[in-house]
Amino acid sequence: AQKITQTQPGMFVQEKEAVTLDCTYDTSDQSYGLFWYKQPSSGEMIFLIYQGSYDEQNATEGRYSLNFQKARKSANLVISASQLGDSAMYFCAMRVVQTGANNLFFGTGTRLTVIP
Amino acid sequence: DAGVIQSPRHEVTEMGQEVTLRCKPISGHNSLFWYRQTMMRGLELLIYFNNNVPIDDSGMPEDRFSAKMPNASFSTLKIQPSEPRDSAVYFCASSRLRSGNTIYFGEGSWLTVV
Repeated sequence: AQKITQTQPGMFVQEKEAVTLDCTYDTSDQSYGLFWYKQPSSGEMIFLIYQGSYDEQNATEGRYSLNFQKARKSANLVISASQLGDSAMYFCAMRVVQTGANNLFFGTGTRLTVIP
Repeated sequence: DAGVIQSPRHEVTEMGQEVTLRCKPISGHNSLFWYRQTMMRGLELLIYFNNNVPIDDSGMPEDRFSAKMPNASFSTLKIQPSEPRDSAVYFCASSRLRSGNTIYFGEGSWLTVV
């Protein structure tokens, strides 16, 4: 069974500082994708970054980077130079595509608050 | 390219009424998902389709919920009869069928059943 765990219900970070949001996952599959989504108060789900299980380098997208540690089954999101607009819920998710299965499993989310 | 398009964005309905939520996936995507989000339960997968065929509907709460995908560019989620506990945000999402392909979400349909 697939499982995503986000242990930080809420996080605070000072504006312009970096913050790490934790995510661990569990799967017996060798091929999977890891995603982070941002959900601001307006409600939409915004895709941020993707890491494939076979990717050797950590993914980066602008101020977002994914600290992928495969042996530890962790996929932490690092946001550098936090901005007030980064205040939102952040969801870690995993996708496995197998015969008869194709889904995105979500963690419970971390609410990030950026303090001016 | 247009993203996933959902309608209505907001709906308030009375208990017992039928509710139909609509979704147009991104062109070329062959997987479509319906999710429900509530404060208590977070994001739950209700059902997903591959190539217009329902693959897993185990997340559909009960017989009051039904979903269809008559073609590659349209899907509906129907609740009949609706109940107050169905109040939630319903997201439609689509992607290509590979683990590395991003699942893109619509803006959600905010349903309130009174």
